[in-house]
Amino acid sequence: QVQLVQSGAEVKKPGASVKVSCKASGYTFTSYLIGWVRQAPGQGLEWMGWITDHNGNTNYAQKFQGRVTMTTDTSTSTAYMELTSLRSDDTAVYYCARPIDLYNPSFDYWGQGTLVTVSS
Amino acid sequence: DIVMTQSPDYLAVSLGERATINCKSSQSVLYNSNNKNYLAWYQQKAGQPPKLLIFWASTRESGVPDRFSGSGSGTDFTLTISSLQAEDVAVYYCQQYYSTPHTFGPGTKVDIK
Repeated sequence: QVQLVQSGAEVKKPGASVKVSCKASGYTFTSYLIGWVRQAPGQGLEWMGWITDHNGNTNYAQKFQGRVTMTTDTSTSTAYMELTSLRSDDTAVYYCARPIDLYNPSFDYWGQGTLVTVSS
Repeated sequence: DIVMTQSPDYLAVSLGERATINCKSSQSVLYNSNNKNYLAWYQQKAGQPPKLLIFWASTRESGVPDRFSGSGSGTDFTLTISSLQAEDVAVYYCQQYYSTPHTFGPGTKVDIK
């Protein structure tokens, strides 16, 4: 069965960076892209971007351009999302998700989420 | 960016009654070349990741009960729960995937009256 297992909660100080991992299993990792969505406490869902193939091509929401880097390690079937220059409003649960296929970008599998808390 | 809006923000419905959630996009999400609406609906229960219910505006994801249905085209869409069950208490989001960023609506909280 398809599973996306994310790394554990993080607490970071303002200005620091965080790198969240998402380990995939149950399917051919290189046949699907991985997207990232975040959710601030009590708020809605925010699409951050995705890694469009495993050659490093990405598409980031403009809001995160310059601060986010999404990568994959095909040898371990793991995706990573690094966010730099953290601010208090980056406090959120970060989800990785897999779309149905290349032509249907709606997300049918999600990780359990990783809470990132940014606090001095 | 395409802006997604939803109404109402909150909806309380009696068990067994119909719940209707509306979603509107700031521009059409209908791709004319394949006549598909690039619109999905998700359900999110407290403390859980979202769950895909509907894609292409009206196609039910495998395993989703048939009391959930999606309709609409262009800029106006609806998610209907035909007979609300206790386990349907959740927040529901629409999402457009016509153009990046694939924006979500603000969500509609559904509760039992």
